[in-house]
Amino acid sequence: RKEVEQDPGPFNVPEGATVAFNCTYSNSASQSFFWYRQDCRKEPKLLMSVYSSGNEDGRFTAQLNRASQYISLLIRDSKLSDSATYLCVVNTGFNKFYFGSGTKLNVKP
Amino acid sequence: GAVVSQHPSWVICKSGTSVKIECRSLDFQATTMFWYRQFPKQSLMLMATSNEGSKATYEQGVEKDKFLINHASLTLSTLTVTSAHPEDSSFYICSARPTAGTVNSPLHFGNGTRLTVT
Repeated sequence: RKEVEQDPGPFNVPEGATVAFNCTYSNSASQSFFWYRQDCRKEPKLLMSVYSSGNEDGRFTAQLNRASQYISLLIRDSKLSDSATYLCVVNTGFNKFYFGSGTKLNVKP
Repeated sequence: GAVVSQHPSWVICKSGTSVKIECRSLDFQATTMFWYRQFPKQSLMLMATSNEGSKATYEQGVEKDKFLINHASLTLSTLTVTSAHPEDSSFYICSARPTAGTVNSPLHFGNGTRLTVT
């Protein structure tokens, strides 16, 4: 079983839609969680960390469910510029980071 | 914010030559840096963990004699692709996080190096 699993998508949504991605992780002792965004042929960029209480940054909301071992990312009012691949990253210890395969989002006019 | 600089951004080389890629943490120290490879439309794959002052830890299937890693200082790690072949053509990315950081500190990525071997 993979350490981190994501639905690869693609998710094709119209502008203005709300879209949510989930990511499951297998190690219950995982310590920290992140969402990154990767554009085609570019490096991943940190979108947001994910905290136990849930956190919001503008149109983006991240949630952590430790009991069920998943994290989620909700994007409201999707923009064309949100089209990218979204990676979840789980840290199980200081030097151990595990990446999901990424979920591709296409926001269409 | 923490910045990781990677150089060169792209390189074209002939088969059989070696290519060195540098990864620098510009405003923080990093005892550990990570090297990844990404083929088109595929996921990031961790190649190795670079440790300052000691040997790198390679992932299964990655040839340590082909991908030489040197982490000589707290702000610089290098990856040398030796005797490159066309199948080594890929996007190579490094990442790091501050040694002084906490468990909640995220990874910061270099801008990547696109290697094409002809």
